Amino acid sequence: DQQVKQNSPSLSVQEGRISILNCDYTNSMFDYFLWYKKYPAEGPTFLISISSIKDKNEDGRFTVFLNKSAKHLSLHIVPSQPGDSAVYFCAAKDTGGFKTIFGAGTRLFVKA
Amino acid sequence: DSGVTQTPKHLITATGQRVTLRCSPRSGDLSVYWYQQSLDQGLQFLIQYYNGEERAKGNILERFSAQQFPDLHSELNLSSLELGDSALYFCASSVAGGLEETQYFGPGTRLLVL
Repeated sequence: DQQVKQNSPSLSVQEGRISILNCDYTNSMFDYFLWYKKYPAEGPTFLISISSIKDKNEDGRFTVFLNKSAKHLSLHIVPSQPGDSAVYFCAAKDTGGFKTIFGAGTRLFVKA
Repeated sequence: DSGVTQTPKHLITATGQRVTLRCSPRSGDLSVYWYQQSLDQGLQFLIQYYNGEERAKGNILERFSAQQFPDLHSELNLSSLELGDSALYFCASSVAGGLEETQYFGPGTRLLVL
């Protein structure tokens, strides 16, 4: 049972444009959501997070939006840069916070 | 460099064998997590330790076991290996394992079972 779903395996965007990566979840007990970025041959690195009490969190070029009623979150990257090309994982934690459930990832290609 | 180290980087072994993956957390981190990433899949949470004690268990097979030692390094033991166990195994660490803590991931160990 996939509790965190990233339905787009890949996304291609032109440099300078906006990249929008989407994530859906099924468990209403999830309290905290995260995005990680992963380059080949490296471990995932934390990018940005959002608590369930917020609907938006911004950090530089990265903004995460949370729609609790739709159980949907998205990551916006503006403007996209070639160095953003990586796999992006959406993840969620429940109130206990001990387990982090990851989606399957979306591979982003930013074309120069 | 996240500060989390994993050894070995690559491991090739045969079905039925047993292997041990090792993880050293970031200095000061008490909590260690293990994840498995199979081909084209997300990271599957296996198990979490905090200061030597098991704290949470995910989809970890009975053939797999882990422990965290007094010096806080952790080992993941995989036994009776099957072809389907071929995957990337990541270790992550955080200060105490709280809800809003960032997990820092190591570079992973790539296991190939032939």
